[in-house]
Parts: sequence; structure tokens; C-alpha cells
Amino acid sequence: EAGVVQSPRYKIIEKKQPVAFWCNPISGHNTLYWYRQNLGQGPELLIRYENEEAVDDSQLPKDRFSAERLKGVDSTLKIQPAELGDSAVYLCASSLLPPTSEQYFGPGTRLTVT
Amino acid sequence: GENVEQHPSTLSVQEGDSAVIKCTYSDSASNYFPWYKQELGKRPQLIIDIRSNVGEKKDQRIAVTLNKTAKHFSLHITETQPEDSAVYFCAARTPSNTGKLIFGQGTTLQVKP
Repeated sequence: EAGVVQSPRYKIIEKKQPVAFWCNPISGHNTLYWYRQNLGQGPELLIRYENEEAVDDSQLPKDRFSAERLKGVDSTLKIQPAELGDSAVYLCASSLLPPTSEQYFGPGTRLTVT
Repeated sequence: GENVEQHPSTLSVQEGDSAVIKCTYSDSASNYFPWYKQELGKRPQLIIDIRSNVGEKKDQRIAVTLNKTAKHFSLHITETQPEDSAVYFCAARTPSNTGKLIFGQGTTLQVKP
């Protein structure tokens, strides 16, 4: 079974530039999560989708971050404009419904903002 | 909201010894506690989990124990091997935040051959 797929794996951009990350969840997983993991810390949830609906985006900095999951499968997370403090690993995870099921993580995108 | 504290932050053991990592949580309503292993530059991988209706769960060399009264849970690795070296994260989930995991700060485990 294929796992959660993310791209790109690495991204280096200058501050104020836009950046986008893509995630393809495990087939059949209705719930998708975006986490941010700062160096030396555990992942922190940014947004959770059930199918195409964002059901928890309370931790998403909405002034510069946006996300979408138009067809309830793939998802993109965008930052515009990026700031130095956005440097982190952005992890996508997925699970079955209900969201109380086990979560499986993708390899992440390591973002460096210079 | 939920808060999870994890200790120690680093742990070094000799190959073959046991390793124990402990986590405490603040929300007594939390009912699901997974443990993830993350090797350098790789994805967090679920290695074991426990639900609040169980006190202990074991899978080969790893086990997790849960003390709901004290609000803490622990990961136990026996007969450690060099390939167990990684960062381990505990997490907790409350019914009020269905799906949202609150992670601990992580423990870097080094198993010396």
C-alpha cells in the first residue's frame, strides 16, 4: 500500500516569496491533516480536512497561509508571502473517518526561508 | 486545552538495555495515546498506540502503559538495538478535538553498540 505522498521534499525560497506544498493521502483516507514541525519539536496541527471540508483551521495563520482540498483527495498548502519564521518541515497526514483513527504521516517538505 | 509533557529530552542506553520514555497529559478526557518514531529526515511512523480503556499494550519489544489516574503514559523498549536510535514522540487526543493530536516535545534515543 502506498503511503502519504508529499512534494516537493525540499524547498528554499527568499522571504516574501510564495510557496506551495502538495499532498496525496493514502487511498480511501477521508481525513487529511497539515502539520508544521519546527526543529527539535513535535508536529503542530495547522488544519484538518474531512473530505473537502476544513473542520479545524484554528491554528492556521490565515493572513498568509491558505489550504485547499477541492475534490476531497489531494491537498495543497500555500504560504504567501513567506517569512523567515516559516522555516520548518510541513507534514501531511491522513486517516480514515472517523478522525479518531490512526494517522499516517508523509515524508514532509522541508522549507527554508532565507 | 490539552498539553503534553515528555521526558527525558535525550536518552542514551547501551545495546541490549531497556529504555523508558514518559509523558504526562493535562486533559483527563484524553482517550487516545499514540507513539511515533522519527528517524533523521524521515516521516514520523506510528509504532504503538493505546486507548483509555486499556492499561497496557505490548508489541514484541515495545510496550506502552497508561495510568489514567495520574494522567501519564510511558513507552518501554526492551533489548534495545542500534536501529532503535531515533526521536520518539508521544501524543494525546481528546474527544473534544477529534482527530487533533497534541504532541510531546520528543525524546532523542541513542542506542550505543
